[in-house]
Amino acid sequence: KAGVTQTPRYLIKTRGQQVTLSCSPISGHRSVSWYQQTPGQGLQFLFEYFSETQRNKGNFPGRFSGRQFSNSRSEMNVSTLELGDSALYLCASSLARAGQDEQYFGPGTRLTVT
Amino acid sequence: SQQGEEDPQALSIQEGENATMNCSYKTSINNLQWYRQNSGRGLVHLILIRSNEREKHSGRLRVTLDTSKKSSSLLITASRAADTASYFCATVYSGNTPLVFGKGTRLSVIA
Repeated sequence: KAGVTQTPRYLIKTRGQQVTLSCSPISGHRSVSWYQQTPGQGLQFLFEYFSETQRNKGNFPGRFSGRQFSNSRSEMNVSTLELGDSALYLCASSLARAGQDEQYFGPGTRLTVT
Repeated sequence: SQQGEEDPQALSIQEGENATMNCSYKTSINNLQWYRQNSGRGLVHLILIRSNEREKHSGRLRVTLDTSKKSSSLLITASRAADTASYFCATVYSGNTPLVFGKGTRLSVIA
């Protein structure tokens, strides 16, 4: 079974731009969660989508948004990028709601904002 | 904010030795999970232990949970160089809440 895939793997953007990251979950998984990882703050939860509905949202500004499609693929968007948005963005999928079951993580997208 | 807090922050041991990492948390949980991350890559799930369980094993891994002390430990026996990674505990308040990760323990196993 193919694992969680994330595209692109690396991205360099300029302050003020926007970016869209993509995540394809393991086939059959209905939950997709997104996390931001930085050396200072560690792993921070962004949001969880389950059956195309956002179920939980972390403490991030409205510049961070996401969606999930009917095939469970998910995208997250960050608008008006700031230097502090530089991070490794990880997505994870699971069969059941995140928290009820083990999560399978993708390799991440490393975003650098200059 | 982080719920779980791992201790120690970093650990360096010789190959063949056992490694123990601890995780403490503040409020009641539904379950606690341990993950491993190699060099800034994606995380790999190791073990999930529910609040009504006290101990779980998986290969060379042993996880204990003490809900009265709000703490968990991960023991890796007979460590190998390939075990070098960061280890994170993640707590879950209820079945419908997301994982909250600690800042991790960085384990170095020296051959």
